[in-house]
Amino acid sequence: ILNVEQSPQSLHVQEGDSTNFTCSFPSSNFYALHWYRWETAKSPEALFVMTLNGDEKKKGRISATLNTKEGYSYLYIKGSQPEDSATYLCVPRGPGDKIIFGKGTRLHILP
Amino acid sequence: KAGVTQTPRYLIKTRGQQVTLSCSPISGHRSVSWYQQTPGQGLQFLFEYFSETQRNKGNFPGRFSGRQFSNSRSEMNVSTLELGDSALYLCASREGASDNSPLHFGNGTRLTVT
Repeated sequence: ILNVEQSPQSLHVQEGDSTNFTCSFPSSNFYALHWYRWETAKSPEALFVMTLNGDEKKKGRISATLNTKEGYSYLYIKGSQPEDSATYLCVPRGPGDKIIFGKGTRLHILP
Repeated sequence: KAGVTQTPRYLIKTRGQQVTLSCSPISGHRSVSWYQQTPGQGLQFLFEYFSETQRNKGNFPGRFSGRQFSNSRSEMNVSTLELGDSALYLCASREGASDNSPLHFGNGTRLTVT
């Protein structure tokens, strides 16, 4: 899967507010969808791997949903905290695909 | 378990030189992939190795090459360095070749070409 779009590119959110952003990908030849969080001066860290249409995963205040039929995934952050400031990357995978990352959504949490 | 280890952390080279970067995966992980990150470009896939075989390759010139050893450690080589090769190079390992295995990243090698 070579076409990955993430929106918005950048987002400023007030501390305590909730937010969400999108990863769009071609729905054909889909196998799995990965989300990663990349904080400044650290390495990307895996958040979720989802494979099934309708999948929903949760990790603390962060959750993600997957729609493989229409080719998108949403990442939600509830009650944003300063430590949520990072770039969030998605990687849709097809069987044997190259590992193509989206350009990411850069999230800034404002105090 | 120790994480993914990349060496060196920082490197300064001159145009025309070559460079070799090293990546030791998490113990038991047989897949290693390499990425280049430059400002405004995001993470660009270079190649992936699994059990010493190149599984996939990104759209980079032939100056970029890699290999994987029997202990799963991997090296990436860039020959005839250009200024545009200045970047953060990340490697990642994963347990199997399955596309639903998450990637575990190293801390990267920051390469500066002058």
